[in-house]
Amino acid sequence: NAGVTQTPKFRILKIGQSMTLQCTQDMNHNYMYWYRQDPGMGLKLIYYSVGAGITDKGEVPNGYNVSRSTTEDFPLRLELAAPSQTSVYFCATSRGAATQYFGPGTRLLVL
Amino acid sequence: GQQLNQSPQSMFIQEGEDVSMNCTSSSIFNTWLWYKQDPGEGPVLLIALYKAGELTSNGRLTAQFGITRKDSFLNISASIPSDVGIYFCAGPKSQGGSEKLVFGKGTKLTVNP
Repeated sequence: NAGVTQTPKFRILKIGQSMTLQCTQDMNHNYMYWYRQDPGMGLKLIYYSVGAGITDKGEVPNGYNVSRSTTEDFPLRLELAAPSQTSVYFCATSRGAATQYFGPGTRLLVL
Repeated sequence: GQQLNQSPQSMFIQEGEDVSMNCTSSSIFNTWLWYKQDPGEGPVLLIALYKAGELTSNGRLTAQFGITRKDSFLNISASIPSDVGIYFCAGPKSQGGSEKLVFGKGTKLTVNP
């Protein structure tokens, strides 16, 4: 099992560009999450999903969108990239809310 | 919202030393989780605690669920260079009708060989 896979590993965007961060899991977990981690800070929840077709906002959703059409995939969309979105993005999954399994992260630099 | 306060923020120790870090909250948690994040990687679950007073070990790591349910401790014995990383505590909280994890800001550990 690959667990949680994220692509790309690293990306540089210009201000105003858009991109989709991909997250795929093969653990058959219902819950999926997107976090961002800024230098020296903990993890902040952007969006989460409790199952296919269901998504909800986390602590810092502005500037992002998500969709959950299948159990396996939970893409995160940035429509108009801003320097404040420079961060490391982690996708995570869980069977319940407590024990989450994280992907390797996507490092995003917006210039 | 609920916050988890971790201390210390960072630690610089010599290989072989024991390490102790803690996590406190103003509110009660029913589960405490400890994650480790290696440089350039995602967090990995080390230990999960489900009962007040519980003491659980994973190799050289030992974690305790505080009796008050408002704190937890993580100890690492005989540290080695590969213990380097950021250690996060986390706990599930019900917010907006669903349960989500709340994370501390982490304790960054540096081990000098």
